Amino acid sequence: DVKVTQSSRYLVKRTGEKVFLECVQDMDHENMFWYRQDPGLGLRLIYFSYDVKMKEKGDIPEGYSVSREKKERFSLILESASTNQTSMYLCASSGATGGLHEQYFGPGTRLTVT
Amino acid sequence: AQKITQTQPGMFVQEKEAVTLDCTYDTSDPSYGLFWYKQPSSGEMIFLIYQGSYDQQNATEGRYSLNFQKARKSANLVISASQLGDSAMYFCAMSYDNYGQNFVFGPGTRLSVLP
Repeated sequence: DVKVTQSSRYLVKRTGEKVFLECVQDMDHENMFWYRQDPGLGLRLIYFSYDVKMKEKGDIPEGYSVSREKKERFSLILESASTNQTSMYLCASSGATGGLHEQYFGPGTRLTVT
Repeated sequence: AQKITQTQPGMFVQEKEAVTLDCTYDTSDPSYGLFWYKQPSSGEMIFLIYQGSYDQQNATEGRYSLNFQKARKSANLVISASQLGDSAMYFCAMSYDNYGQNFVFGPGTRLSVLP
């Protein structure tokens, strides 16, 4: 079974702190994604990566950066956390082969910035 | 631009009855994939079912089936014999490239199963 894990289920940070959200997948997937999910706004793509050290901006990249140094790991970084970044963050991965391309999701991280 | 519409913000269904969750999509690409995900209150997104744009048959997975009407650009999810554990948010999504990089989600439908 595909497994996508995220470093924390719940996180509370202060405004201005640097925040790291880690995501690891064990299926050798090429693609990895970071979304945020807010009530009434659905899932919005922040960044995705299609290979090691490669990244592409999604719909809402402002205030975020990412890092992919190894194929299995994709990190989301909030350089200076703000209260409007309080949200549910979901990591996903998908493979480029097989034609199906369904995204497998981690359990999510509920981040609260105070 | 590719878009997914789910017009039902919330739905109620009696336990053991069937329910249909609506999804329409908009794309000009001839090749695409349609997906349904379930998100329980725990937050994890669970993949349920997939339909490819060239598939002739409607997809089925256990109690889930996808009613694919290509000309109408609809991909409704049918859940048969609803269970209390089916109460969750349901998202319709579409992949529209060959590399799994371009994926768009609908706003979701909250399903509540009544005992």
